[in-house]
Amino acid sequence: AQSVTQPDIHITVSEGASLELRCNYSYGATPYLFWYVQSPGQGLQLLLKYFSGDTLVQGIKGFEAEFKRSQSSFNLRKPSVHWSDAAEYFCAVEGSSNTGKLIFGQGTTLQVKP
Amino acid sequence: NAGVMQNPRHLVRRRGQEARLRCSPMKGHSHVYWYRQLPEEGLKFMVYLQKENIIDESGMPKERFSAEFPKEGPSILRIQQVVRGDSAAYFCASSPLQGATDTQYFGPGTRLTVL
Repeated sequence: AQSVTQPDIHITVSEGASLELRCNYSYGATPYLFWYVQSPGQGLQLLLKYFSGDTLVQGIKGFEAEFKRSQSSFNLRKPSVHWSDAAEYFCAVEGSSNTGKLIFGQGTTLQVKP
Repeated sequence: NAGVMQNPRHLVRRRGQEARLRCSPMKGHSHVYWYRQLPEEGLKFMVYLQKENIIDESGMPKERFSAEFPKEGPSILRIQQVVRGDSAAYFCASSPLQGATDTQYFGPGTRLTVL
């Protein structure tokens, strides 16, 4: 069965520091992968997605992610974090059926220190 | 173009009551997904509907939960005889075509509290 694991529940970084959020997936075929951000009390906003092609994907708000098939990973990165990036981040994979349902990881809460 | 709308944003029910959650997809979107987010957890898929059809309900609890997406009007997620364990945030997402390749747009969610 497909699954997504985000090993880090909480991460704290200083403003201006670089960021990497980890995501590992379990999927038999080529996965469709996503990163979403959720601000407190809000819905989810899509940061970026990977379907095929270039394994380094650029997203909104200066985020990027790299798909590594050999490691079954899709880690999210940002070179310099801003205080407004504090939120919860979810990695997701499309389920095996062609219905488009998403399977989410548990989420990583990012705290940004001034 | 308005985004996905959900109402109410907050809903409080006592144990045993019914909860009705509404989701209006984006204009032109005929595919609706419902997800549940329990406290401190990620989102879990519940059901996928197209207009007047339930396509995938593999994530729906077997009892008390139902969903519909009529030809006219919003999609409704209905929870009968709510229990405290139903307290969660319920999100819907809409898509113009089948499959997430066209991206699911999420609503702001309904936060259900069962007293």
